[in-house]
Amino acid sequence: NAGVTQTPKFQVLKTGQSMTLQCAQDMNHEYMSWYRQDPGMGLRLIHYSVGAGITDQGEVPNGYNVSRSTTEDFPLRLLSAAPSQTSVYFCASSTGLEAFFGQGTRLTVV
Amino acid sequence: EDQVTQSPEALRLQEGESSSLNCSYTVSGLRGLFWYRQDPGKGPEFLFTLYSAGEEKEKERLKATLTKKESFLHITAPKPEDSATYLCAAYGQNFVFGPGTRLSVLP
Repeated sequence: NAGVTQTPKFQVLKTGQSMTLQCAQDMNHEYMSWYRQDPGMGLRLIHYSVGAGITDQGEVPNGYNVSRSTTEDFPLRLLSAAPSQTSVYFCASSTGLEAFFGQGTRLTVV
Repeated sequence: EDQVTQSPEALRLQEGESSSLNCSYTVSGLRGLFWYRQDPGKGPEFLFTLYSAGEEKEKERLKATLTKKESFLHITAPKPEDSATYLCAAYGQNFVFGPGTRLSVLP
């Protein structure tokens, strides 16, 4: 049982490049979400999804897109990377009782 | 606007020295209060969910309690392996996380 799998673990991008962070879960959870974690600021919600075909914005959605075509997968797309998007990104999958996090993607934009 | 704060920001304890971490929240329609442990370079690891004021949950040296405005994570006789950042999150419409408390337990 893999839980929540994020890829890649590390990524360096140049300003203006685009990329997709992958997230997959094998627990059949309806609710999935993406967070970014910056020093001293805690985890901030970027986008979330309550089921396949349904997505919504969180606290800090600008510069990011998501889609949810299947229950298992919830990719996060950076459209045109900016240095302000340098952060650690976490994907989570949850029920109302508990949430499981991936191991994170450390992204640096230069 | 939903908000979660945590105190202290950092805490240093001697092994065996019990203490408490605080999580204060302002969330409309609280559906659950979550506690996580996060080790450096890792994702948060689920510890507890509390649903209503007065509820308590225990796991080894940790006990979480909940009131209408705050939650406490009590650590009894901590060991060095309890060193980590402890995060709380309030679940209303969405999860709102606090900034965490960085706990160091010295041998």
